Amino acid sequence: QSVLTQPPSASGTPGQRVTISCSGSSSNIGINTVNWYQHLPRTAPKLLIYSNDQRPSGVPDRFSGSKSGTSASLAISGLQSEDEADYYCASWDDSLIGWVFGGGTKLTVL
Amino acid sequence: QLQLQESGPGLVKPSETLSLTCSVSGGSISSSSYYWGWIRQPPGKGLEWIGSIYYSGSTYYNPSLMSRVTISVDTSKNQFSLKLNSVTAADTAVHYCARHVGGVTYPFDYWGLGTLVTVSS
Repeated sequence: QSVLTQPPSASGTPGQRVTISCSGSSSNIGINTVNWYQHLPRTAPKLLIYSNDQRPSGVPDRFSGSKSGTSASLAISGLQSEDEADYYCASWDDSLIGWVFGGGTKLTVL
Repeated sequence: QLQLQESGPGLVKPSETLSLTCSVSGGSISSSSYYWGWIRQPPGKGLEWIGSIYYSGSTYYNPSLMSRVTISVDTSKNQFSLKLNSVTAADTAVHYCARHVGGVTYPFDYWGLGTLVTVSS
């Protein structure tokens, strides 16, 4: 059971906007920033969003992140077939003194 | 361009020790700016942080694995290593090594491709 809670799946059609939620607690998301990773099969996970809403160089602005209280969201607009992947949220936990991840959300582009 | 590559046995027997090494190229593991970490993903499951290390040897471990894990660094070889003892089938996973963007509370920006370690007799 993951410390951060994500829906196991999400889907959308090309061009649509989809959001993926991530729920935590006061010891992680509530006081620390949230990061999002994109993971394609048989590849290394890729940092997609850091510090709640910042995009690393090279990440399209179709990807955006937000945080409110103990929850966070990843939004993908203008959905493309290559966005089909697993998405993970992650945050530092001050009680566990370590990193915690969500269980991952499998995004399907219909 | 920084590159990380995991290496080690792909098959470990139950109760024995899993040992992996992460070789870093394109940058120095002794940089004062970064921590280095291990993350694993059991088949069909999500990512789990194992632990992280600084070039000085300072470590942080996942509390659920702390009693069985040792992460060490060899700056002369630009490598860091993972040892997990008393393994069971539940430790079967793809293991990734990665670099933190900065200190241990910063996210991972560079990752290796991962290596599957299967625990089976």
